[in-house]
Amino acid sequence: QVVLTQSPSASASLGASVKLTCTLSSGHLNFAIAWHQKQSQKGPRFLMRVNRDGSSHKGDGIPDRFSGSLSGSDHYLVISSLQSEDEADYFCQAWDEGFVIFGGGTKLTVL
Amino acid sequence: QVQVQESGPGLVRPSETLSLTCSVSGGFLGGHYWSWIRQPAGSGLEWIGRIYNSGNIHFSPSFKSRATVSMDTSKNHVFLTLTSVTAADTAVYYCARGQEGVFGYYYYHMDIWGTGTTVTVSS
Repeated sequence: QVVLTQSPSASASLGASVKLTCTLSSGHLNFAIAWHQKQSQKGPRFLMRVNRDGSSHKGDGIPDRFSGSLSGSDHYLVISSLQSEDEADYFCQAWDEGFVIFGGGTKLTVL
Repeated sequence: QVQVQESGPGLVRPSETLSLTCSVSGGFLGGHYWSWIRQPAGSGLEWIGRIYNSGNIHFSPSFKSRATVSMDTSKNHVFLTLTSVTAADTAVYYCARGQEGVFGYYYYHMDIWGTGTTVTVSS
């Protein structure tokens, strides 16, 4: 079963860019990954799916500031021109062996 | 635009059964899997299970013995019941529509989430 590993926290300044990482466990490099944003006191929001070839499919209304990429076992969510409303928890997610797996989430602080 | 709204009792006593309803508007249940996910305070997201047209149901191993998922397509409702609840089941519960496909490998992810309903298990 795949394990998705995320750093617990990250921070970046207003207007800057940040790269959040989701690392897939060994032997599971062919998985597509979805990224979800969870703002405080709100329901989660689907940001995008990143396929194994690096192509991505965004959710409705997700700004171009949000992009995804990958390198080996690492999937990245890049947020550019950070805004205060980007402060949130970000979760990566995959499907494996008949059920959904979530990463532990990264809490992003916008300074 | 599809919208999802969860509802439930708010407070459930230990050992009792939790029952939640997911109401979908702006679209229909057919053609999609519908998932239940929860988030205990201070913790990450936990997937409970999903249902497709009442005939295809999958559960996380962690919930398989206690959870039931069903749907009423005439009312555009999806239901979750969780038996023998304990304080560990205290969480915000979310319903979400799913997208699936194959891109080399099968993928599935949630693409429209509800706002969640808080459940507290306490006597």
